[in-house]
Parts: sequence; structure tokens; C-alpha cells
Amino acid sequence: NAGVMQNPRHLVRRRGQEARLRCSPMKGHSHVYWYRQLPEEGLKFMVYLQKENIIDESGMPKERFSAEFPKEGPSILRIQQVVRGDSAAYFCASSPRGLVVHEQYFGPGTRLTVT
Amino acid sequence: AQTVTQSQPEMSVQEAETVTLSCTYDTSESNYYLFWYKQPPSRQMILVIRQEAYKQQNATENRFSVNFQKAAKSFSLKISDSQLGDTAMYFCAFMKLSGGGSNYKLTFGKGTLLTVNP
Repeated sequence: NAGVMQNPRHLVRRRGQEARLRCSPMKGHSHVYWYRQLPEEGLKFMVYLQKENIIDESGMPKERFSAEFPKEGPSILRIQQVVRGDSAAYFCASSPRGLVVHEQYFGPGTRLTVT
Repeated sequence: AQTVTQSQPEMSVQEAETVTLSCTYDTSESNYYLFWYKQPPSRQMILVIRQEAYKQQNATENRFSVNFQKAAKSFSLKISDSQLGDTAMYFCAFMKLSGGGSNYKLTFGKGTLLTVNP
């Protein structure tokens, strides 16, 4: 059973460009979480999604950031008009439906560098 | 809101010895989970151990064990017989479980960098 897949692993964008980060959850998992890790910091929750539904986006910046988890395909975290402060590692985690949602399995992360 | 505090930014230990990493948290919830995650230089987040708050017995996973003091809101990680491969950042994390799907997010501490020396 393949783990959580994230791509790209490294992404370089110039200021003002768009960044698209992809996350494919583990097979059978229907819950996806995105976290951001700034340098020298722990991970900070951004958004929690189920298929075609945003459950909790309380950690998402109000502007420029959006996330989706369509019926088919990976979850996408989209950052428009990137700025230097967006440089960070972005981690996706997934969990199965039902009573074990507390078990979150993490992907390897995408390291975004904004130049 | 919940907070998680790891007061030791860095620690080191000799191979084969025992080390304890500290974590305290602040919450008004009674039903929650606590976790320790390991992040080696590869940056992959790996679950080390999990503790349910309603369980009085401390969780154990091979060389890893916790000392969970619910009243003191303390959750320390003990690593026995330290190995070179244990060198990593260790993050303590909290998850509340009371009502509604929005309560499954993890709140992390800032981490402790553990170095195991040969």
C-alpha cells in the first residue's frame, strides 16, 4: 500500500507566480489535511478536507490560498501571487474514514522556495 | 485554543543511553490524543507513539515510552538504548476529539532536535 504522495518535492517560484502543490492520499483514505512548516518551527494546521468538501479552513490565510479535494484526483493546495514569506515546507496528511481519523499519515512534503 | 510547549530546543545523548524529551500542553478539553512525531533529516514526519487521554496506562512502543501526567498536562517521551538513527527533530502534538469533524487537526510544539552521538 503506497503511502501519501506529494509532488513536486521541491518547487521554486518567483514572486507573483502561482504555486500548485499536489497530494494523493493513501488508498482508502478520504480525509486530507494540509500543514505548513516555516523554518525552525513546528507544523501549523492549514485546512482539513474530505472529498468535494472543505471541513475546516481555519488555518488558511484569507487571501491567495485555496485548497480542494475533488471527487477524482489529488488534493491541490494553490497559492496565488506568491511572496517570500510563503517559502516553507508544506505537508499533506491523510486518514481513513470512520473512527480512526486521529491516525494521520504524512507525505514527504513539498519545499516551496520563493525567489 | 490549545497550545503545546517543548522547552528543550536541542538535546544530545550518547548511543545506548536513555534520554527524555519534555512536552507540556494547555487545554480545557477532557477528551484528546497526544502524539510524538519524529522528523529525520529527510523531513518525513513519522509517528512514534500515541496516547489516548482517557487511558491511565502509559503508551509504549519498543524503545519508546511516554510519561503521561494528565493533571499536570505533561507528556514526556523516553527513548531507551538510543541509536544513531534516532537523530531527528521530535515534535509533540495534540488533537482534541470533542464533537464535529473540525476537531481532528493536530497542534504541534516547536520541536526538540535530538542528536545521538557515537
